[in-house]
Amino acid sequence: SQTIHQWPATLVQPVGSPLSLECTVEGTSNPNLYWYRQAAGRGLQLLFYSVGIGQISSEVPQNLSASRPQDRQFILSSKKLLLSDSGFYLCAWSRGRPNQPQHFGDGTRLSIL
Amino acid sequence: AQSVTQPDIHITVSEGASLELRCNYSYGATPYLFWYVQSPGQGLQLLLKYFSGDTLVQGIKGFEAEFKRSQSSFNLRKPSVHWSDAAEYFCAVGADDNNNDMRFGAGTRLTVKP
Repeated sequence: SQTIHQWPATLVQPVGSPLSLECTVEGTSNPNLYWYRQAAGRGLQLLFYSVGIGQISSEVPQNLSASRPQDRQFILSSKKLLLSDSGFYLCAWSRGRPNQPQHFGDGTRLSIL
Repeated sequence: AQSVTQPDIHITVSEGASLELRCNYSYGATPYLFWYVQSPGQGLQLLLKYFSGDTLVQGIKGFEAEFKRSQSSFNLRKPSVHWSDAAEYFCAVGADDNNNDMRFGAGTRLTVKP
C-alpha cells in the first residue's frame, strides 16, 4: 500500500530564517505531488504541484519554492520566511492519471515568530 | 474553472442523530467529487468519491453521499453520528481534463454533543 510521510510535524521559526519541509511517498511510482497551505478556519490553498522529477508548477506567487529532486520526494522551501507564512502545510499525492483522488500527509504546523 | 461551496461553516448534532453536510459545486462538465475528513492537527482522509455511475456512493466510516446533477449538489450523510465523527469535513471537485486542478470547499466543522 501507499504511504506518505511529511516532516517535521511542527516547526517554529523566526522571521527571515530559511525553511525546508520534506515529503516522501512510498509504494507508488511517478505520482503527482502537491503542496497546500491551510490557514486557520479556512480551506486549502494549492501552492505547488509536480507531475514529474524537476517539473514544478506554481499556483500562487510568493516567497516559497518547491523542488522535486527524486520521483517520490517533494520539498517546500523558503530563503526568508515572513510572518504571513505561518500556517498548516499539507503534502499530497495522487496517481498520475486523470481524476484520481489526492491522499494527504499529516501536515506540518509552521509558526513564525 | 470549477468551484465548490459548503454553505455551513459549523454544524452541531447530538450523538446518535443523523447528519447531512451540504456541498454545492459549479462545473460545466461532469464533475469528479470527493469528500474528505480532517481531525484536528491531522491531514485529510478520503471518505468517498464520485466519478460516474450510481449516484449514491458509499464511503468509509458509515458515510454516504448522493450526487444530484439537477441541484449541483453532493451532500454527505450518515444515519447515526458517533462522537468520533467530530472533525472538519471538506468537499472537493476535480476537473475532468486536469488532474491537478482540484478545488476544495472552505469546510464544515462538525461538533457532536453527548
